[in-house]
Amino acid sequence: SQTIHQWPATLVQPVGSPLSLECTVEGTSNPNLYWYRQAAGRGLQLLFYSVGIGQISSEVPQNLSASRPQDRQFILSSKKLLLSDSGFYLCAWSRAGGLRTEAFFGQGTRLTVV
Amino acid sequence: AQSVTQPDIHITVSEGASLELRCNYSYGATPYLFWYVQSPGQGLQLLLKYFSGDTLVQGIKGFEAEFKRSQSSFNLRKPSVHWSDAAEYFCATIHSGGYQKVTFGTGTKLQVIP
Repeated sequence: SQTIHQWPATLVQPVGSPLSLECTVEGTSNPNLYWYRQAAGRGLQLLFYSVGIGQISSEVPQNLSASRPQDRQFILSSKKLLLSDSGFYLCAWSRAGGLRTEAFFGQGTRLTVV
Repeated sequence: AQSVTQPDIHITVSEGASLELRCNYSYGATPYLFWYVQSPGQGLQLLLKYFSGDTLVQGIKGFEAEFKRSQSSFNLRKPSVHWSDAAEYFCATIHSGGYQKVTFGTGTKLQVIP
């Protein structure tokens, strides 16, 4: 069966510090991978998606970047965090090809920038 | 572009009462629709999905949803709510072109009172 791991679960970082959130998927190959952000009182905003190694698409301009160094690894990064980067970050994957598939989510990372 | 709208930000129901959470979609062809639930501080869990066929879809935890093309709706229902159903509920759709990007509504927070 497929599983998705996301870490850390919680993170408190000072403004201006770097960020690295990691997500890995097991039990599937060539997944589509996603990073979503959920800010307080708001819905889920898609930040990045990837359909393959090294292929990253950004949905919204921001202070963050994403990378996919391996097929089942997706990393969310920032060189210098802003207060506005605080939120709940969710990694997700879906099966590539075909449309009859849902997204599967990790447990999320609660990021607080202080 | 395909999108879903959840008009209710917050709903309060009494335990044992029936529940209906609204979701409207905008898409000319038959959309692929989902309902997810998010418990506090957790990732998202799929409740049910609709791709085609029978317009009444049964999900986990006693939930069901009905696809109504005439109303562009995919409302989530439960005949008798339990206190453990208190959570945030997201309607979502998947884009039919290219990669399978999942787009979410803004969510409805359900409060259950004894």
